[in-house]
Amino acid sequence: AQTVTQSQPEMSVQEAETVTLSCTYDTSENNYYLFWYKQPPSRQMILVIRQEAYKQQNATENRFSVNFQKAAKSFSLKISDSQLGDTAMYFCAFYSGGSNYKLTFGKGTLLTVNP
Amino acid sequence: ETGVTQSPTHLIKTRGQQVTLRCSSQSGHNTVSWYQQALGQGPQFIFQYYREEENGRGNFPPRFSGLQFPNYSSELNVNALELDDSALYLCASSFGYGYTFGSGTRLTVV
Repeated sequence: AQTVTQSQPEMSVQEAETVTLSCTYDTSENNYYLFWYKQPPSRQMILVIRQEAYKQQNATENRFSVNFQKAAKSFSLKISDSQLGDTAMYFCAFYSGGSNYKLTFGKGTLLTVNP
Repeated sequence: ETGVTQSPTHLIKTRGQQVTLRCSSQSGHNTVSWYQQALGQGPQFIFQYYREEENGRGNFPPRFSGLQFPNYSSELNVNALELDDSALYLCASSFGYGYTFGSGTRLTVV
């Protein structure tokens, strides 16, 4: 069974600075997808960034980028130029498709961006 | 492109009662899945429906059941509610690995 671990329950960062959220996972699959979702107080899960395991290049979306280390089963999220609107819960999630039709989430990291 | 809409947004039920939560699917998505998110936790997979058939289920008892309709909308039914069923219930429609989530239904069981 797949597991996703987020070891940082809470983090804080000053506006305009850079912060990195950590995520590790465990799987025996070779083909899978990893995601970072943001959940603001509105409760809706919003996709931040996605990484396909078969791609060696790290995904980037504007101020958000990942450091994907497949051998180490590590998938960290870097937020550059942090903004007040980045304050939210961030969840790392795993999906392998096939017969495993589900997203497996970590417990989340509460990120607070301070002015 | 429509998003995923869930109803109601909040509700309070008494232990032992039954509840039905509803979810619309995003246009073009043929799969709907439901997740339970307890306070301070990540979402846990309940089950998934594809073309009106359940094709995946997490570690939840049979009193959690669902339906998917021809327009791909879905219902989650929970019978014999327990206090531990209090949580945020998230619905997600998907096509492959592309998921779109609704804003959830906050269920409180008293």
